[in-house]
Amino acid sequence: EPEVTQTPSHQVTQMGQEVILRCVPISNHLYFYWYRQILGQKVEFLVSFYNNEISEKSEIFDDQFSVERPDGSNFTLKIRSTKLEDSAMYFCASSALPGSRGEQYFGPGTRLTVT
Amino acid sequence: GDSVTQMEGPVTLSEEAFLTINCTYTATGYPSLFWYVQYPGEGLQLLLKATKADDKGSNKGFEATYRKETTSFHLEKGSVQVSDSAVYFCARGSGNTGKLIFGQGTTLQVKP
Repeated sequence: EPEVTQTPSHQVTQMGQEVILRCVPISNHLYFYWYRQILGQKVEFLVSFYNNEISEKSEIFDDQFSVERPDGSNFTLKIRSTKLEDSAMYFCASSALPGSRGEQYFGPGTRLTVT
Repeated sequence: GDSVTQMEGPVTLSEEAFLTINCTYTATGYPSLFWYVQYPGEGLQLLLKATKADDKGSNKGFEATYRKETTSFHLEKGSVQVSDSAVYFCARGSGNTGKLIFGQGTTLQVKP
């Protein structure tokens, strides 16, 4: 069964450093998402991406964040200058259909620890 | 804004007990509703969904009915197993992009 994969599973970085979280969505999916879950809190939407551009972003997704689909398979989330409060589990998701019609399939997540 | 509220956990049950996890959502529009499950150390897996009022989603013995009149989507299972121990998230679709708005999650622990 196709699945969304994410690398690395755990990333430790120092405050102020740049990190890139990588995701490989399901191959025939066209809609891509990033969510994050701070420990003990709810899963929060960060950004949605379609047709090589951001279709929606949350208030959390400020200028420090960017997303890219550099080739036909990868979908990346970059944090330019990490802060302590960026420590969280980051989930990538993809779907074949837009909006609420599309079931989103989630990857296993990348745990980001900022020290 | 759009939101989802779940009953607080943790919920601890004995094997074969009946499970209900309450979920209510804000009534903006006619969202699709979802239950996701997160097993320890794993990502989120779609458990079931319902796309319109009175729809019943079901999977692996779990059920939830889309109740527009009460803006609810409660998760039920008639007889839980130890393997059902996990965190359960209620979610609604929102906006044209279908981003998911999640509840805070409910931890279920089933004891033998």
